[in-house]
Amino acid sequence: DIQMTQSPASLSASLGETVTIECRASEDIYSNLAWYQQKPGNSPQLLIYDANSLADGVPSRFSGSGSGTQYSLKINSLQSEDVASYFCQQYNNYPPYTFGAGTKLELK
Amino acid sequence: EVKLVESGGGLVQPGRSLKLSCAASGFSFNDYWMGWVRQAPGKGLEWIGEINQDSSTINYTPSLKDKFTISRDNAQNTLYLQMSKLGSEDTAIYYCARGGYGSYVDYWGQGVMVTVSS
Repeated sequence: DIQMTQSPASLSASLGETVTIECRASEDIYSNLAWYQQKPGNSPQLLIYDANSLADGVPSRFSGSGSGTQYSLKINSLQSEDVASYFCQQYNNYPPYTFGAGTKLELK
Repeated sequence: EVKLVESGGGLVQPGRSLKLSCAASGFSFNDYWMGWVRQAPGKGLEWIGEINQDSSTINYTPSLKDKFTISRDNAQNTLYLQMSKLGSEDTAIYYCARGGYGSYVDYWGQGVMVTVSS
């Protein structure tokens, strides 16, 4: 199975700040990576697919980048509604698809 | 509007079985791979398995293959998860998911809680 190592596990940031979350795969996943946002008490929602494509309706302050084994999610100008947990997922090698352990983003 | 609505969760005793359902609407159900993902309380996401459009291909996370069975009824636009020999480690929110076969999940259900306890 491909292991997804996500960092940091938690993050505290101020409104308007830029935040970056990293995900490292145990082998090359050829940009077959998605990012999901999960607000407290809700189901996950797709943010980014294919490493850098924005899902429908997702604000442009969210962006994804990376290749090979290293990927990142950047949130520009942090808003209060961005408080959530974020998960990466690889879909290159399956089964199983594997997720990162998640990053909990809070406001400072 | 795409909607995935899970049902069938609740409290179940260890060793027993439970079957979850997911009613799909707002899209052509029989055109999509579907799957299940679970999340233990306060934990991350764990992919359970996926099923293709005509049920000819079903893939599972290897560690769950012997206790979970995924099926679908395209006439009823419904996805199922049959769970057997349940243990406390199976306590989780179970999400129905649209997507699979080397792709991401583009829609998630609201989830259904399963609690395994005596």
